[in-house]
Amino acid sequence: QKEVEQNSGPLSVPEGAIASLNCTYSDRGSQSFFWYRQYSGKSPELIMFIYSNGDKEDGRFTAQLNKASQYVSLLIRDSQPSDSATYLCAVRRSNDYKLSFGAGTTVTVRA
Amino acid sequence: DAGVIQSPRHEVTEMGQEVTLRCKPISGHDYLFWYRQTMMRGLELLIYFNNNVPIDDSGMPEDRFSAKMPNASFSTLKIQPSEPRDSAVYFCASSLLIINTGELFFGEGSRLTVL
Repeated sequence: QKEVEQNSGPLSVPEGAIASLNCTYSDRGSQSFFWYRQYSGKSPELIMFIYSNGDKEDGRFTAQLNKASQYVSLLIRDSQPSDSATYLCAVRRSNDYKLSFGAGTTVTVRA
Repeated sequence: DAGVIQSPRHEVTEMGQEVTLRCKPISGHDYLFWYRQTMMRGLELLIYFNNNVPIDDSGMPEDRFSAKMPNASFSTLKIQPSEPRDSAVYFCASSLLIINTGELFFGEGSRLTVL
């Protein structure tokens, strides 16, 4: 079982719609959860992090965490063509400082 | 403020040759990570350092790979001898523990092609 798994893409959504990305992790000791965005040919950049169960909102982005289900999600509201990228879920365990990344989900927003 | 700087940006070499990738982390950051990204395997952690000391090198594929961090402002990842399956984008990233957001600042990557 992979440490971090993401729903397979690619995900295509029309402009203005909600894009929903899912991620599950295997280690119950994981404490910190991150969403990185990676444009084609570029390096990953952090867009959201969440530590506690529940929702965390930042602009058009909402991260949701359910530790009991070992599940993290990212919602992108009012999707824009500039949101077209690969979104990487990353997890950090409490006794470690390294980040383990999922394979990523590629999102395409159709104008 | 300069970000993480990697060199070379692109490297094409032949199988069996030695490859050295270089990284300058953000000044003041105390963690440095080397990741490798391929279509098949995604973003894999190879090794990371804390205050120039290697903490976890369990992701280093085999003895052909080695990494050093002689000082706080410089790290190298060396592959000797290189093989075609080493072709990938190698990212260096740095982080500052005290911020504790877990944010890694990535360099632009070094794209390695081994023929």
